[in-house]
Amino acid sequence: QVQLVQSGPEVKKPGASVKVSCKASGYIFSTHGISWVRQAPGQGLEWMGWISAYNGHTDYAQKFQGRVTMTTDTSTSTAYMELRTLSSDDTAVYYCSRVGSWGVDYWGQGTLVTVSS
Amino acid sequence: DIQMTQSPSSLSASVGDRVTITCRASQGIGSDLGWYQQKPGKAPKRLIYGASTLQSGVPSRFSGSGSGTEFTLTISSLQPEDFATYYCLQHNSYPRTFGQGTKVEIK
Repeated sequence: QVQLVQSGPEVKKPGASVKVSCKASGYIFSTHGISWVRQAPGQGLEWMGWISAYNGHTDYAQKFQGRVTMTTDTSTSTAYMELRTLSSDDTAVYYCSRVGSWGVDYWGQGTLVTVSS
Repeated sequence: DIQMTQSPSSLSASVGDRVTITCRASQGIGSDLGWYQQKPGKAPKRLIYGASTLQSGVPSRFSGSGSGTEFTLTISSLQPEDFATYYCLQHNSYPRTFGQGTKVEIK
């Protein structure tokens, strides 16, 4: 069965960077993309971008351009999302999700990133 | 960017009620729309893809319809486990965009 297992919670200071991992199993990693979505406390879902696990092509939401980098390691079937220059507005649960022909289907369990001085 | 306007933002309903949630796209997206259910503290779960196709394992009381700019998620007979927040997501063009969410609460 398809599973996406994310890394554990993080606490960061303003200005720092965070890197969240997402390990995929149950399917051939290179055949699907990975999207990253975040959810601030009490708020809705916000699409951050996606990466093709086939060729590494990325598309980022304009809001995160220059501050986010999404990568994959096909040898370990793991996707990564790094967000830099963190502020308190980046406190959120970050989700990875699998992207297929019909959009996002499976989701990771989420990683809470707390930004606090 | 395509804006997804979801309504209502919240609703109160009783077990057994029929519930309808709407998403409107700011431009045509064909059938490139999914519906997701999210319970507190949990990751979203896909209910519908391709605007109207039921995800495997999802109860048949959930249905989706629409194409182009107007889409509907219907729960034919609300069950206790359906109290949650529902989101639409378009995957027609980048950036992908979500509706604002509809919180379904117990009346």
